[in-house]
Amino acid sequence: AQTVTQSQPEMSVQEAETVTLSCTYDTSESNYYLFWYKQPPSRQMILVIRQEAYKQQNATENRFSVNFQKAAKSFSLKISDSQLGDTAMYFCAFMKQAPGEGAQKLVFGQGTRLTINP
Amino acid sequence: NAGVTQTPKFQVLKTGQSMTLQCAQDMNHEYMSWYRQDPGMGLRLIHYSVGAGITDQGEVPNGYNVSRSTTEDFPLRLLSAAPSQTSVYFCASGRGVNLPLHFGNGTRLTVT
Repeated sequence: AQTVTQSQPEMSVQEAETVTLSCTYDTSESNYYLFWYKQPPSRQMILVIRQEAYKQQNATENRFSVNFQKAAKSFSLKISDSQLGDTAMYFCAFMKQAPGEGAQKLVFGQGTRLTINP
Repeated sequence: NAGVTQTPKFQVLKTGQSMTLQCAQDMNHEYMSWYRQDPGMGLRLIHYSVGAGITDQGEVPNGYNVSRSTTEDFPLRLLSAAPSQTSVYFCASGRGVNLPLHFGNGTRLTVT
């Protein structure tokens, strides 16, 4: 079974700073996908970024980028030029690659509550 | 295009009562699933469905039933509510394998 661990329950930074959220995972699979989801106070789950394990290049989406270290089973999220609207709970999640049992199922970490201070 | 719609948004039940959480999607997604979110534990999979008429258990299925009679709807039934089922419930759907899931806005359930 896969597990996802987020070791930082809470983080707080000043607006415009850069912040990195940590995520490690454990799996025996070779092919899989990793995701970061954002959950603002509205409770909505919003996809931030997606990484395919077979790609060596780290995914980026505007101010959001990841540092994917497959051998170390590490998948951190970097938020540059942080904004007040980035205040949210952030979840790291794992998905096995299809076909087979487990594809489409997301395994989530415990979450990191990020606060951006003005 | 409403996406994934969950009703109700909030619900309070007494121990032993039953109820159904509704989930509907209008994106013609084959895959649908239910998660529960508890503090410090992230989201955990309750049940999922890969198409109409097909359902399977996730990580924490006890106390919950599901059925999938249409592509659009995937209701979650609590047969006899317990305080341990106090949680926020999310429904999610997916267009295809290994594509990101789309989530509803959640239902906060309190069982007293």
